[in-house]
Formats: sequence, structure tokens, C-alpha cells
Amino acid sequence: DAGITQSPRHKVTETGTPVTLRCHQTENHRYMYWYRQDPGHGLRLIHYSYGVKDTDKGEVSDGYSVSRSKTEDFLLTLESATSSQTSVYFCAISPTDAGNTIYFGEGSWLTVV
Amino acid sequence: SQELEQSPQSLIVQEGKNLTINCTSSKTLYGLYWYKQKYGEGLIFLMMLQKGGEEKSHEKITAKLDEKKQQSSLHITASQPSHAGIYLCGADRIADSWGKLQFGAGTQVVVTP
Repeated sequence: DAGITQSPRHKVTETGTPVTLRCHQTENHRYMYWYRQDPGHGLRLIHYSYGVKDTDKGEVSDGYSVSRSKTEDFLLTLESATSSQTSVYFCAISPTDAGNTIYFGEGSWLTVV
Repeated sequence: SQELEQSPQSLIVQEGKNLTINCTSSKTLYGLYWYKQKYGEGLIFLMMLQKGGEEKSHEKITAKLDEKKQQSSLHITASQPSHAGIYLCGADRIADSWGKLQFGAGTQVVVTP
């Protein structure tokens, strides 16, 4: 196990409501990432963080924001959830940016109705 | 759209037989990651390749990255039921963007008795 915990693991929410997914790591790794996985699109990067309070956008960042106030926690927020954000969300962590192993969490299943 | 092409999309192999999965890009890959995923679960890290011509093995799984660093193969020898699942390749597409992976669509492997 890579010491990654995602919460909640499953959530159903209504369109227009805010949703926050949490990724918690016990590895003290510097880099953290949020991906989403959808049929026909595979895994796509939403946002990533390279340190506390240092974040940047990925490939599909529209409609999402992130925050990292502590090394161990990386939060993904959907300010106003839409049906197109129904997906499986994966958090990943990496110790450095130098081609090290990237470990993924178990995923969070989000359904927006 | 997927810039990493995986082939085949799916395959059925008899237990004990070998199998090979390919991952191809039209551009240089700066880091190539192989993961295994079971339906409804997270990604399990298998191997990571960086250098042209590199080859790594773990138990019955061997991964190679070609000299041009545009194609990788994953080979499983004497497949077992535990090898069933979806195999994903992911790659760093930019030299200074480690960890911001783009993924292939995946290859579903079924192992029959």
C-alpha cells in the first residue's frame, strides 16, 4: 500500500451543489495529483501540486479547484457540480519530479444527478 | 483523444500462455509507466522505464522501452488468473513535467482456464 486514502469513496450529489474530495497521504511525498477516469477518455490530469500551497492546472481543470495547506492533504473541489463531472477520481502521489514511481489511491466514485 | 495508443484493446489468453501488450506514441516519451487495474479498483504500479532500450522484469512480467523511446511493450510469461485485469500505460510527454501523465485507453486481459 502506498499510504494514500481517498474520501469519500462513493458519493451521489445533486447538480449545482459543491463537493470536496480529499486525498490524504502518509508518505510525506512532495507531489500530489488528481486524475479523473472516464470511459472513452481514460485517465486525465485535473490538477497537481508540487508542494504546500503550490498547485497548477492539468489537462481538464475547468470546473475544479484544489488546495493544499498541508503536505499530507490535497483537496479537490467542484464548486458547482455538473453531470459531466460524474466520474471516478483518483489521487496520486510521487516523492520527487525526477521520474519516480507514482502511486495511485483507490479512487472516489462521484455521481452527479 | 488518446495520444498514447495501446494495442490490443482486449485479449483473451489461455492460462499458461504468453501475452504482449504494446504502447505507442508518435512523440518521445520521457517516462513510461505501466499499471494494472481491476474493475472498480485503483491502479497498481507495475514498472517504470526511462531510458531508451531499458528493460525491467518483475516476477513473470517484463517491460521494455525501445531505443527511440516511442514504444513500450509489456510481456507476461505463462499467464495466470491473477494476471487478469486492465493494463494501462502512462507517460510523461514533456521533459520537465514528471508525473503529469497521459494515459492510453487500456488493454483488458482475460485469462481462461
